Amino acid sequence: QVQLVESGGGVVQPGRSLRLSCAASGFTFSSYGMHWVRQAPGKGLEWVAVISYDGSNKYYADSVKGRFTISRDNSKNTLYLQMNSLRAEDTAVYYCAKDNSPRATMVRGVLDYWGQGTLVTVSS
Amino acid sequence: AIRMTQSPSSFSASTGDRVTITCRASQGISSYLAWYQQKPGKAPKLLIYAASTLQSGVPSRFSGSGSGTDFTLTISCLQSEDFATYYCQQYYSYPPWTFGQGTKVEIK
Repeated sequence: QVQLVESGGGVVQPGRSLRLSCAASGFTFSSYGMHWVRQAPGKGLEWVAVISYDGSNKYYADSVKGRFTISRDNSKNTLYLQMNSLRAEDTAVYYCAKDNSPRATMVRGVLDYWGQGTLVTVSS
Repeated sequence: AIRMTQSPSSFSASTGDRVTITCRASQGISSYLAWYQQKPGKAPKLLIYAASTLQSGVPSRFSGSGSGTDFTLTISCLQSEDFATYYCQQYYSYPPWTFGQGTKVEIK
């Protein structure tokens, strides 16, 4: 069965960096685009970033552009989110999610499997 | 970015009720709409995509309809496990992919 397991969250001071990981199993990771979606405490869902199945295309929400970098290692079945210059408003649970369209250079954006999330708290 | 607006934001219902949640897009999105269910402390779960296509394994009491700017999610006979927050999401114009603000279904 499909499993997505995030790690790397924690408490970090404003301006510092953090790298999240998402370990995938149960499907051919190298064939699917992957997303990061976040949810601030008590709030709704906000799409953060996406990477195509082969890493050739990456897109970001305006709120994180220039500060966050999405990447993947298909040999390790792992997705990453490097978060720099963190701000208090980046505090959220971060979910990785699988796109449901295989081998699409431009992912579709239907998120059929999600990880359990990892909490990032930005506070001094 | 396309704005997605759900109504109501929350409501109370009883087990066995038929409930409907509405989602409106700020511009036409054809049928490029998905619905997700989220329970407290859990990840969202895909229920419906392409406005009306049920994801594998999702009970048939869930259904979706609409196209263009107006969409609905209907639960035909509310079960105890259906009390949750529901989100719509457009995938017509991206990035960014955008979600509605959520609709919380509570027990009456």
